[in-house]
Amino acid sequence: DGGITQSPKYLFRKEGQNVTLSCEQNLNHDAMYWYRQDPGQGLRLIYYSQIVNDFQKGDIAEGYSVSREKKESFPLTVTSAQKNPTAFYLCASSNSGGINNEQFFGPGTRLTVL
Amino acid sequence: AQSVTQLGSHVSVSEGALVLLRCNYSSSVPPYLFWYVQYPNQGLQLLLKYTSAATLVKGINGFEAEFKKSETSFHLTKPSAHMSDAAEYFCAANAGGTSYGKLTFGQGTILTVHP
Repeated sequence: DGGITQSPKYLFRKEGQNVTLSCEQNLNHDAMYWYRQDPGQGLRLIYYSQIVNDFQKGDIAEGYSVSREKKESFPLTVTSAQKNPTAFYLCASSNSGGINNEQFFGPGTRLTVL
Repeated sequence: AQSVTQLGSHVSVSEGALVLLRCNYSSSVPPYLFWYVQYPNQGLQLLLKYTSAATLVKGINGFEAEFKKSETSFHLTKPSAHMSDAAEYFCAANAGGTSYGKLTFGQGTILTVHP
């Protein structure tokens, strides 16, 4: 089955630690995205990538980093610089960066800082 | 800047009643518009999308939405609610141009369906 996988589903982090969230897709999509979801705030874009080895900051990139070394993979690192990292993180991909192409979403990772 | 507003963070209906979830956008040009549904602790699933081919768009699970340029709206409706429709719904827009590929999301509306 084609789709997007995110791991782990739940992640706990101590303050001061960096953690990496995995996102893999087998849809052969060019574009990939990371969103952060907080209750009542919708989804906010952290980073996005339209092609391999290229990515751009979204609206709330501070305290996060990404890489895009392979077309199918777009890992997100939540660094210790992120002041309030507890949230639900969603990865998405689309066929291209085209404006009428819907984004397909993974199941999400819930990160909790202890 | 593009923005999407969903009126009502919570909507409650009885099973069998009409569902109406409101979405308004602000854009200098008509955007491409999407409705997504999210069940608890899951990702988002596309319900329907407007891409200028037709103003009335039919989606999955009996939902539809009508694009009204004069009202800058893209409200989501379903004639008869089912218990399984209880979820959070997001309206999203892509205005193109420099925002190529990026979506702007509304804040979400939680739909509760009472028996």
